[in-house]
Amino acid sequence: AQSVAQPEDQVNVAEGNPLTVKCTYSVSGNPYLFWYVQYPNRGLQFLLKYITGDNLVKGSYGFEAEFNKSQTSFHLKKPSALVSDSALYFCAVRLSWGTTDSWGKLQFGAGTQVVVTP
Amino acid sequence: DVKVTQSSRYLVKRTGEKVFLECVQDMDHENMFWYRQDPGLGLRLIYFSYDVKMKEKGDIPEGYSVSREKKERFSLILESASTNQTSMYLCASHNEAGATYNEQFFGPGTRLTVL
Repeated sequence: AQSVAQPEDQVNVAEGNPLTVKCTYSVSGNPYLFWYVQYPNRGLQFLLKYITGDNLVKGSYGFEAEFNKSQTSFHLKKPSALVSDSALYFCAVRLSWGTTDSWGKLQFGAGTQVVVTP
Repeated sequence: DVKVTQSSRYLVKRTGEKVFLECVQDMDHENMFWYRQDPGLGLRLIYFSYDVKMKEKGDIPEGYSVSREKKERFSLILESASTNQTSMYLCASHNEAGATYNEQFFGPGTRLTVL
């Protein structure tokens, strides 16, 4: 069974400073990893995904994530945080294509609340 | 633009009522999902559907049922609402073309309160 852990409930950062949101995963086989963001009272918005290839993935709103196979991590990063980045961030992993019980299902982490202060 | 809509943003029901949550997508996606979101627990899959009239249980199906009579519409039913079903409910849709590992698209959510 696959699982995702987001070890921090909340990350606080000052505007203009680098932002990192941590995610580690456990899967049998190749990991397919996603980051989503949720603004208050809204649904989830897709940020980026890692499927294969370059370990550094670039996504929406200036975010990027680094896939590290040896550390089984997929940390989300932004070089310079904005107040508008304050939101709830979710990491997710899915099963490989063709695996029984796949169908595009995602396993989500518990979420990390990001607070960016002016 | 891709769109997933949910019938209500906020809903208040009483214990024992039958509750219907509706989700509609306009992307012709095969797969649709219902999640509930609770603080500290992330999103947990209730049910999903991979085709019209086809459904599979997720991780927490107890107390819920679903209906998918048309491709674009996926309904979540609480047969007899209970207070522990007070939560945010999120619908998502997804399409897989080959092995492209596409993302899921989410609706805005329905915040259900059961009194």
